[in-house]
Amino acid sequence: AQSVTQPDIHITVSEGASLELRCNYSYGATPYLFWYVQSPGQGLQLLLKYFSGDTLVQGIKGFEAEFKRSQSSFNLRKPSVHWSDAAEYFCAVGAATNNDMRFGAGTRLTVKP
Amino acid sequence: DVKVTQSSRYLVKRTGEKVFLECVQDMDHENMFWYRQDPGLGLRLIYFSYDVKMKEKGDIPEGYSVSREKKERFSLILESASTNQTSMYLCASTTAGGAKTQYFGPGTRLLVL
Repeated sequence: AQSVTQPDIHITVSEGASLELRCNYSYGATPYLFWYVQSPGQGLQLLLKYFSGDTLVQGIKGFEAEFKRSQSSFNLRKPSVHWSDAAEYFCAVGAATNNDMRFGAGTRLTVKP
Repeated sequence: DVKVTQSSRYLVKRTGEKVFLECVQDMDHENMFWYRQDPGLGLRLIYFSYDVKMKEKGDIPEGYSVSREKKERFSLILESASTNQTSMYLCASTTAGGAKTQYFGPGTRLLVL
């Protein structure tokens, strides 16, 4: 079965600074990778996903992520963080052959003024 | 616009009470999921349903049951609530097949006293 590790529980960045959130997955076949964001008191919203093709994927709100098979990673990036990006971010891995979606423990992002 | 709604945003119940959490989606999705979200543990799957009256156990089904009598509605039942079931509960839905984008409701925060 697949699994996901998000090594950083909490990250603080200054507004306007760049951001990278780490995600490592474990899965024997081709993974289907997702990043979701959860604003306080809300459900999860899809930021972006990778199924195949170009390993650099663009998402909503100016986010992008890069799939690196050799490193089993799918890190999320944003060049300039806004105060409204403060939220919790979840990486998830799914499989084409079943409904099993595995979520990481999440990374909480704090944005300093 | 895609919509998943949950019957309550906040619930307070007593130990031993029977608790019903309801989820409704308006997207004609085949799959529906119930997750439990706890700090540091991410999302853990309780049950999912891939069709009316069909269900499969997730990772943590103990103490929970589910009901899906209509395609759009998926209920989570705590037969006898306990304090260790205090948590955030998230419902999600997807189209049929594996590795699909999950659409989440806003969550129900349950406190069991």
